[in-house]
Amino acid sequence: AQSVSQHNHHVILSEAASLELGCNYSYGGTVNLFWYVQYPGQHLQLLLKYFSGDPLVKGIKGFEAEFIKSKFSFNLRKPSVQWSDTAEYFCAVNAGEAGTALIFGKGTTLSVSS
Amino acid sequence: GAVVSQHPSRVICKSGTSVKIECRSLDFQATTMFWYRQFPKKSLMLMATSNEGSKATYEQGVEKDKFLINHASLTLSTLTVTSAHPEDSSFYICSANPLSNVNNEQFFGPGTRLTVL
Repeated sequence: AQSVSQHNHHVILSEAASLELGCNYSYGGTVNLFWYVQYPGQHLQLLLKYFSGDPLVKGIKGFEAEFIKSKFSFNLRKPSVQWSDTAEYFCAVNAGEAGTALIFGKGTTLSVSS
Repeated sequence: GAVVSQHPSRVICKSGTSVKIECRSLDFQATTMFWYRQFPKKSLMLMATSNEGSKATYEQGVEKDKFLINHASLTLSTLTVTSAHPEDSSFYICSANPLSNVNNEQFFGPGTRLTVL
């Protein structure tokens, strides 16, 4: 069975600091990888996704993630965070086959102080 | 494109009543839809996989008689919480996997907040 680990439970940063959120997954086959953001009181929004090709993926709002197959990792990065990035971030994985569900990590709370 | 809606967005009910939540894919067809549950400040937990025209597949620990899922058409899946109790209060989110999607990408609804008094 697939599983997703997000190592950072709560990250606190000042504005303009760089961000890296860790995500590791366990699954032996082809995977699709996603990062979602959930702002306070709002629903999930897709930040970025990886299916195949260039392992460095760029998403919305200046976020990017790098898929490192040998490490089963898909870490999220942003060079300079803003106060408005305060939110819950979820890494998610599903198998490449159609009809398989997304499995989510436990999430990382990011708090950015201005 | 690829919009998923949920209705209602929030519902408050009395303990012992049943509540139905609808999940619709508005501009695509989906043979497979998924139901998730999210507790406050927690992650999304997969409850069940809903397949059009067949029985849903429930995750371990999810009571199928409590959470009835029906996927009667390619654009609609419903989740009925039967005899709801306060511990069923949660945020329920559905997602749908378009027929035409080769990458198995899912599109999420905005969620339904259920409060059981």
